[in-house]
Amino acid sequence: EVQLLESGGGLVQPGGSLRLSCTASGFTFSNYAMNWVRQAPGEGLEWVSAIGASGGSTYYADSVKGRFTISRDDSKNTLFLQMNSLRAEDTAVYYCAKGDFGGVIVPFDYWGQGTLVTVSS
Amino acid sequence: QSVLTQPPSVSGAPGQRVTISCTGSSSNIGAGYDVHWYQQIPGTAPKLLMYGNSNRPSGVPDRFSGSKSGTSASLAITGLQAEDEADYYCQSYDSSLSGSVFGGGTKLTVL
Repeated sequence: EVQLLESGGGLVQPGGSLRLSCTASGFTFSNYAMNWVRQAPGEGLEWVSAIGASGGSTYYADSVKGRFTISRDDSKNTLFLQMNSLRAEDTAVYYCAKGDFGGVIVPFDYWGQGTLVTVSS
Repeated sequence: QSVLTQPPSVSGAPGQRVTISCTGSSSNIGAGYDVHWYQQIPGTAPKLLMYGNSNRPSGVPDRFSGSKSGTSASLAITGLQAEDEADYYCQSYDSSLSGSVFGGGTKLTVL
């Protein structure tokens, strides 16, 4: 059974940093692209970032480019999102989502339960 | 403002058919990129409902169907049931943004 478990969310001040993790199980993690998708309170889904299988390629939404960094540790079946220079508008539930193949132009077939990031003073 | 445009809400009575549209542009749906659909029950994570425009993952009832034409796609739900009440999102890839894009979401109410 595929499972994705996010952690690392919490309350952070504007300008601060946070590192999210997503631990995967139930599939060969290194073979699949992984994504971060966020959802602000009461709002829709926003794709944040993607990383190809084996970490060869990374992609970012314009809204986070230069501030967020996606990475993966295939030896630990873990996906990361390093978030710096956080702003109030980054407040959201952050979901880890598995691509259904190694490339990034694929549907997201499994999602974690999400972790809440709140940026506020 | 989402790159893909969906109606904010749709509604229908039990047993009826509803459709949800998803309109894009020449850099996403119109460029030939596939459209995928997700169902999100409030308070839970999204679930893949349709992939590759018209393919249902295992376990999704055949009451759900998808189509794509030109710069738009549609999700149809027949035989509406109370359990279908949820938010629905379309997703594709945008070549000018070099990333995935979602529609703004459509709230389906079963009357």
